Amino acid sequence: DGGITQSPKYLFRKEGQNVTLSCEQNLNHDAMYWYRQDPGQGLRLIYYSQIVNDFQKGDIAEGYSVSREKKESFPLTVTSAQKNPTAFYLCASSFQGADSNQPQHFGDGTRLSIL
Amino acid sequence: EDQVTQSPEALRLQEGESSSLNCSYTVSGLRGLFWYRQDPGKGPEFLFTLYSAGEEKEKERLKATLTKKESFLHITAPKPEDSATYLCAVQGGGGYQKVTFGTGTKLQVIP
Repeated sequence: DGGITQSPKYLFRKEGQNVTLSCEQNLNHDAMYWYRQDPGQGLRLIYYSQIVNDFQKGDIAEGYSVSREKKESFPLTVTSAQKNPTAFYLCASSFQGADSNQPQHFGDGTRLSIL
Repeated sequence: EDQVTQSPEALRLQEGESSSLNCSYTVSGLRGLFWYRQDPGKGPEFLFTLYSAGEEKEKERLKATLTKKESFLHITAPKPEDSATYLCAVQGGGGYQKVTFGTGTKLQVIP
């Protein structure tokens, strides 16, 4: 079955530590996205990538980094510079096109907490 | 800046009691309005895309409608398994596929 796989489901970070969240998709989608979800707030865009080896900052990129070396994979690193990392992180993907208005499809998220 | 406001924040229904969820939006050049369902601890599950005013989409007990300023998600004779948070999102005419999400309506259906 095609889908988006995020791992791990739960992750704990110590002070000063960088952690990496995995996102893999087998939907043959071109575009991939990382969102952060906090209680009472809408999803906020961290980074997005429209093609391999290219990515752009979203609305809240500070303290995060990404890479896009393969079409299927878009890992997110939460660095020690991110002072409030506790949140539910969602990865999404979609078809891409000049006038594309295709929906984004989501993985089941990673919940990150501070130790 | 695109904005999405969903109401009510929470809704409690008896099984079989039909109701509607509202999504009001402002966007520059609507490309699409999306409805998602999100269960606790899970990612949003795509339900519908609406592209232009007057369009309607149906799936089982759910029906989504669209006007130039708002969208409604009508739930007919809901069942307990319809309990979830329903998210609305809009894609505007920006340079890339920027999607703005609302904060959701948490629906609880009581047997």
